[in-house]
Amino acid sequence: EVHLVESGGGLVQPGGSLRLSCTASGFSFSYYAMGWVRLSPGKGLEWVSGIGGSGATSYYADSVKGRFTMSRDNSKNTVYLQMSRLRAEDSALYFCAKGTFVGSGTHFDYWGQGTLVTVSS
Amino acid sequence: EIVLTQSPATLSLSPGDRATLSCRASQSVNTYLAWYQQKPGQSPRLLIFDASNRATGIPARFSGSGSGTDFTLTISSLEPEDFAVYYCQQRDNWPPLTFGGGTRVEMK
Repeated sequence: EVHLVESGGGLVQPGGSLRLSCTASGFSFSYYAMGWVRLSPGKGLEWVSGIGGSGATSYYADSVKGRFTMSRDNSKNTVYLQMSRLRAEDSALYFCAKGTFVGSGTHFDYWGQGTLVTVSS
Repeated sequence: EIVLTQSPATLSLSPGDRATLSCRASQSVNTYLAWYQQKPGQSPRLLIFDASNRATGIPARFSGSGSGTDFTLTISSLEPEDFAVYYCQQRDNWPPLTFGGGTRVEMK
């Protein structure tokens, strides 16, 4: 059974940093792309970042490019989202999601329960 | 960036009714479109991928159709557990992967 467990969310001041982690189990981790998708209050789903199975290349939404970095450690079945220079508009529930194949241009067939990020002074 | 526009924003129906949800893309996404269901306090659930393929474990009352710029999610007969928010998502032209704004299916 596929499981995705996120951690690392919390309250941070504007301009601060956080690192989210997502540990996966139940599938051959390196064979699938992974993504981060967020849900903001009163808004819909927004794709934030994606990374292919090898971890060689990561992709970002324009809203976070240059501030967020996604990476993966296939030996630990874990993906990370390093978030810096956080803004109030980054406040959201962040989901880790498993792609349906190895490439980053993917749909997402399994999702974690989400980790809440709140950016406020 | 491909913009996905979902309509209507809210659909008020009763159990047993047929639900028809629309997703329109700002340019062709071929058949690279998915549909997700999200209930309050839960993570999204993949229903349909690549326009018309049901994901694992999804009941047959859910069906997807369309290609190019116009797509439809149909729920043939609403069950009480189907009242939720539904999102479409394209993977044809990326980055970014984009989602529609969602359609809320509420009980009349």
